[in-house]
Amino acid sequence: EDQVTQSPEALRLQEGESSSLNCSYTVSGLRGLFWYRQDPGKGPEFLFTLYSAGEEKEKERLKATLTKKESFLHITAPKPEDSATYLCAVQARGGSQGNLIFGKGTKLSVKP
Amino acid sequence: DGGITQSPKYLFRKEGQNVTLSCEQNLNHDAMYWYRQDPGQGLRLIYYSQIVNDFQKGDIAEGYSVSREKKESFPLTVTSAQKNPTAFYLCASSPRSASRNEQFFGPGTRLTVL
Repeated sequence: EDQVTQSPEALRLQEGESSSLNCSYTVSGLRGLFWYRQDPGKGPEFLFTLYSAGEEKEKERLKATLTKKESFLHITAPKPEDSATYLCAVQARGGSQGNLIFGKGTKLSVKP
Repeated sequence: DGGITQSPKYLFRKEGQNVTLSCEQNLNHDAMYWYRQDPGQGLRLIYYSQIVNDFQKGDIAEGYSVSREKKESFPLTVTSAQKNPTAFYLCASSPRSASRNEQFFGPGTRLTVL
């Protein structure tokens, strides 16, 4: 069964304290892995797509990496405005385009 | 300004009523989706449509219905058959191309059953 597990469920950081969020997945052939940011009461905001192991993408303080079994979202020197829930999702090869499987998310809190 | 709009932002429903949630996009995307989000759970797919006049059930379609009469619009009806409809509903769209298949989300509608 295709599955996505995100850890930790919640992460508290001090401003400037770098860390990583994990997304482990099992899927019958990966078509793409997606990272989103979601603020309370709002829709998810697209951040990155990763397609193959070894691929990396960066945006400001965020860097996403991908291996054959997991993805990491590295946050360098975070600021309070980075506080949000970060969602990971995978899409399997061969499935219909509706088959985007989401993890439960990691809630990040950055304190000044 | 291209994007996805959902209305209303908040919706209250009495038991036994059907309600319809609106989703419109001006991104010229072929595919559209409806998800449900509950606290502590990942997003779950209700219905999706890859082309006008065609749609497929997702993982939790029971108690919901959709239509896709126009490329820009994908309304979701929550029927009285849905046992626990209180949730945050998210609409998304995707370009459905070989090189790009990320989904973009609207702002959501929070439905509460009174």
